[in-house]
Amino acid sequence: DTGVSQDPRHKITKRGQNVTFRCDPISEHNRLYWYRQTLGQGPEFLTYFQNEAQLEKSRLLSDRFSAERPKGSFSTLEIQRTEQGDSAMYLCASSLAATHTGELFFGEGSRLTVL
Amino acid sequence: SQELEQSPQSLIVQEGKNLTINCTSSKTLYGLYWYKQKYGEGLIFLMMLQKGGEEKSHEKITAKLDEKKQQSSLHITASQPSHAGIYLCGADQNQTSYDKVIFGPGTSLSVIP
Repeated sequence: DTGVSQDPRHKITKRGQNVTFRCDPISEHNRLYWYRQTLGQGPEFLTYFQNEAQLEKSRLLSDRFSAERPKGSFSTLEIQRTEQGDSAMYLCASSLAATHTGELFFGEGSRLTVL
Repeated sequence: SQELEQSPQSLIVQEGKNLTINCTSSKTLYGLYWYKQKYGEGLIFLMMLQKGGEEKSHEKITAKLDEKKQQSSLHITASQPSHAGIYLCGADQNQTSYDKVIFGPGTSLSVIP
């Protein structure tokens, strides 16, 4: 499979617990993006990487959220001390910056439910 | 910051009918994208528009960017059940580099056989 993969697809957790999502981009893509989407809304930008460098982080992202892309390949998004408001679909996308045609390749998303 | 609005919010059409979805930006659009999302899944790229007046087509879907580059429309001809889903417009935040894409709230399309 050469697409963007995300794991887990679904996560149910209790408020206050930490959760981590993983994204494996398309192998030759150097850009990786995280978005959050709630029901009835479009995806909200959270952060993006070019290779291992985190180039921008949304002001919407509280200190409880951290993302890494240690070797410029896969990325993780960790949410600490989860709150019910964190319940959403977390989408990962990748692209190749040098030949950017505007196309972001999205994974299927990781759905988080915080009880 | 730039904001995108879409209209209508939702649409229900009979199979075979034509329909139009609109996307309006609060600022000049340097790159305008249309994506489709099946419920509960990731987004699929449809097309990108950059130049004022530009129009692109893919199968029965046509998108156009107005001359002032602040509005785009997506038109589906002879709709089919396979067209059902959420249509999202997106825009580059930066004129000089493709880095961050922001999205509108989406238009939910249902096609009744």
